[in-house]
Amino acid sequence: QIQLVQSGPELKKPGESVKISCKASGYTFTNYGMYWVKQAPGQGLQYMGWINTETGKPTYADDFKGRFVFFLETSASTAYLQINNLKNEDMATYFCARRGGYYWYFDFWGPGTMVTVSS
Amino acid sequence: DVVLTQTPVSLSVTLGDQASISCRSSQSLEYSDGYTYLEWYLQKPGQSPQLLIYGVSNRFSGVPDRFIGSGSGTDFTLKISRVEPEDLGVYYCFQATHDPLTFGSGTKLEIK
Repeated sequence: QIQLVQSGPELKKPGESVKISCKASGYTFTNYGMYWVKQAPGQGLQYMGWINTETGKPTYADDFKGRFVFFLETSASTAYLQINNLKNEDMATYFCARRGGYYWYFDFWGPGTMVTVSS
Repeated sequence: DVVLTQTPVSLSVTLGDQASISCRSSQSLEYSDGYTYLEWYLQKPGQSPQLLIYGVSNRFSGVPDRFIGSGSGTDFTLKISRVEPEDLGVYYCFQATHDPLTFGSGTKLEIK
């Protein structure tokens, strides 16, 4: 069955980096884009951007340009989100979600990875 | 960026009653190909969001017919008839017509 499995919770200090993984299974990885969504504690969903799993080309929403990096390990059907120079406002749960198909919607989501930033 | 304004912010509904959520867009969500990329997601407590409706009014696989999406252009509505306990959570509208894609601010459905 189709699954997106994300890496576990992270506790980091401001200024550090974190790498979150999203491993896909049950479908052809390169047939669907992989998208990232941020949810700060008690807040709504915020679109971060996506990575084209065929070409590896990332696209970032404006708020996520600079310190955020999307990349792939295609041979392992895994997408990654790296956040550099962590700030307090990066503390959130990060979801990966696949999007594609004829009608192009988010049909499967990862469980989310919580990142805590604390000195 | 397209702003999606959801109302109400929260909704308290008696089991068996109807709930209605509005999503108003700052721009038309009809794409040049005639399709409208407006979706509704439900995030139940402690869970990832799940797709309910795509293309304004199409129910995703397994979604009960109690969930009805409607609208066009800039005004959209999600109606939930005969609310059940498992319907509680936060409902988000989402648009993928314009880049960047954007979510509405969410509507929290509580059961009275």
